[in-house]
Amino acid sequence: EPEVTQTPSHQVTQMGQEVILRCVPISNHLYFYWYRQILGQKVEFLVSFYNNEISEKSEIFDDQFSVERPDGSNFTLKIRSTKLEDSAMYFCARGGALALSTDTQYFGPGTRLTVL
Amino acid sequence: ILNVEQSPQSLHVQEGDSTNFTCSFPSSNFYALHWYRWETAKSPEALFVMTLNGDEKKKGRISATLNTKEGYSYLYIKGSQPEDSATYLCAFYLSYKLSFGAGTTVTVRA
Repeated sequence: EPEVTQTPSHQVTQMGQEVILRCVPISNHLYFYWYRQILGQKVEFLVSFYNNEISEKSEIFDDQFSVERPDGSNFTLKIRSTKLEDSAMYFCARGGALALSTDTQYFGPGTRLTVL
Repeated sequence: ILNVEQSPQSLHVQEGDSTNFTCSFPSSNFYALHWYRWETAKSPEALFVMTLNGDEKKKGRISATLNTKEGYSYLYIKGSQPEDSATYLCAFYLSYKLSFGAGTTVTVRA
């Protein structure tokens, strides 16, 4: 299966700054997901995205978060004003075209975000 | 919030020994259970997607069973090797998303 890649691998930012995490390259007509893992905690679902629309989002995914495909291929997660508690490993994953329960979600290697 | 639990949190295994560990999940509204293997600094690697009660899947020396009625799945590693050292995650599928357990970290000692 095609790999999901993410950039950057590590991002350090100051509290209150905006960050954009990227997932590349992306195929069309598939479901995409963002998850995160705060150190020592479980991997948590943030948002699923299909055909340029959010299909599902968690309570964590508040107004500070947004997702988009700015150039039709890259898939980005933006955090508008980072907080200390946003420090985590952020994973992009891609699924199938129908988000079936049996579709494997293929994860990227993650971006470690550190908010100072 | 779905309660997906894994036990033990970690275990150490001697090379060549076999081991197993558990994932428990809600037994109602079951659709699928996913298992992943996650090595440090790498992407979580998909191992199995399990859907049917009594399902058994195998990939090399790793296998998994599923009991949807009682809400648990076992993952087995036969004849552990150092390259099996990783964190093994299970994830319960519901409403287009995966809810993960905290993982079982396996360390295989040579």
